[in-house]
Amino acid sequence: QVQLQESGPGLVRPSETLSLICSVSGGSINHYYWSWIRQPPGKGLEWIGHIYYTGSTNYNPSLKSRVTISVDTSENQFSLRLTSVTAADTAVYYCARGFSTSWSFRFDYWGQGTLVTVSS
Amino acid sequence: EIVLTQSPGTLSLSPGERATLTCRASQSVSSGYFAWYQQKPGQAPRLLIYDASNRATGIPDRFSGSGSGTDFTLTISRLEPEDFAVYYCQQYGSSPLTFGGGTKVESK
Repeated sequence: QVQLQESGPGLVRPSETLSLICSVSGGSINHYYWSWIRQPPGKGLEWIGHIYYTGSTNYNPSLKSRVTISVDTSENQFSLRLTSVTAADTAVYYCARGFSTSWSFRFDYWGQGTLVTVSS
Repeated sequence: EIVLTQSPGTLSLSPGERATLTCRASQSVSSGYFAWYQQKPGQAPRLLIYDASNRATGIPDRFSGSGSGTDFTLTISRLEPEDFAVYYCQQYGSSPLTFGGGTKVESK
């Protein structure tokens, strides 16, 4: 059974950089897309971006200037960096596995999520 | 960007009743790139339906999905107590990947 686990600081100061890691167990990181998705308290889901195991990335244009997603296949993990954070970046951050074929895409496994609060 | 509009925002029903949730896309979405998720309080979303109409592993057959193009529907034939939750639609027919705003199914 594939499991994803987010880790990182729960509190980040405004203007600093949010950094999270997603560790994947029970399966290989190869041949899948790996996404970060966030959910502000009481609100809906927002896709941040994803990385293919080869290192190819795709980001949401709304965050593209501040986001970097990277992958470490040797450690079976991938990470998120979000720079210049503000209170609007306070959210539960999820990592998820994207299952893709030439005609289909869905998130079939999710981490439990981690709350990141931006505050001084 | 494809905007997904879910309706209604809240659905108040009793156990045993039928729930019909809709998701309308601002542009046509290929069915293979359309999915539905269920989220309960304090939990991560769970994949229910993929390719617009295929149930994910372990999902009961009271859940069904249909639709194509710009109009998609999630139906729960008979609500069980554990089905009261928020439901989201998602598309990746074109980038960026987007989610609908969610429909909350609450107990009347």
